[in-house]
Amino acid sequence: DGGITQSPKYLFRKEGQNVTLSCEQNLNHDAMYWYRQDPGQGLRLIYYSQIVNDFQKGDIAEGYSVSREKKESFPLTVTSAQKNPTAFYLCASSIEGRDIGLAKNIQYFGAGTRLSVL
Amino acid sequence: GQQLNQSPQSMFIQEGEDVSMNCTSSSIFNTWLWYKQDPGEGPVLLIALYKAGELTSNGRLTAQFGITRKDSFLNISASIPSDVGIYFCAGQGAYSGAGSYQLTFGKGTKLSVIP
Repeated sequence: DGGITQSPKYLFRKEGQNVTLSCEQNLNHDAMYWYRQDPGQGLRLIYYSQIVNDFQKGDIAEGYSVSREKKESFPLTVTSAQKNPTAFYLCASSIEGRDIGLAKNIQYFGAGTRLSVL
Repeated sequence: GQQLNQSPQSMFIQEGEDVSMNCTSSSIFNTWLWYKQDPGEGPVLLIALYKAGELTSNGRLTAQFGITRKDSFLNISASIPSDVGIYFCAGQGAYSGAGSYQLTFGKGTKLSVIP
């Protein structure tokens, strides 16, 4: 089955702890994204990556870090510097790459990870 | 940055009724997308629109790309209980360099259907 897999579904973080959320895709997509969703806030972009070994900050990158060592994987670490980490985290991917001929960026989403603070 | 205004924020309707929601933007978009999110799940793409004036249907869903390229609407006809969820619009502007394929999302319309 082709798709985007996020794990775990539920995650609990203790004070001062870093936690890592996994996102894997087998769609052969170049671009991957991380969003944070809070009630009534819609989706806010944390980080995105258009190609392996390259990533860019989104609108709310503070307190988060990412890596993109493989095309299929884009893990997100919520660091202890993120003081309000409780939220629903969504990973997405799209076929977009650095080819400027592509004019369509349909993003496909994983099922999400709900992070709570103990 | 670009902003999308999505309305209404929430709506309660009787089963069988038609539903309409819309998004407006201060900027021009080249693509409009509509997603649905079930509770505790990720958004699923419903309809993609690529041309101004385009009207596209997907079963009971119909969406239109506004002529001005600054708005879009989604209609659901004859609603059923499984239509419950949050509907998001998303827009994509013209390519202008690294990161410009990002989508701008509306804040969502929460739909409740009363059987």
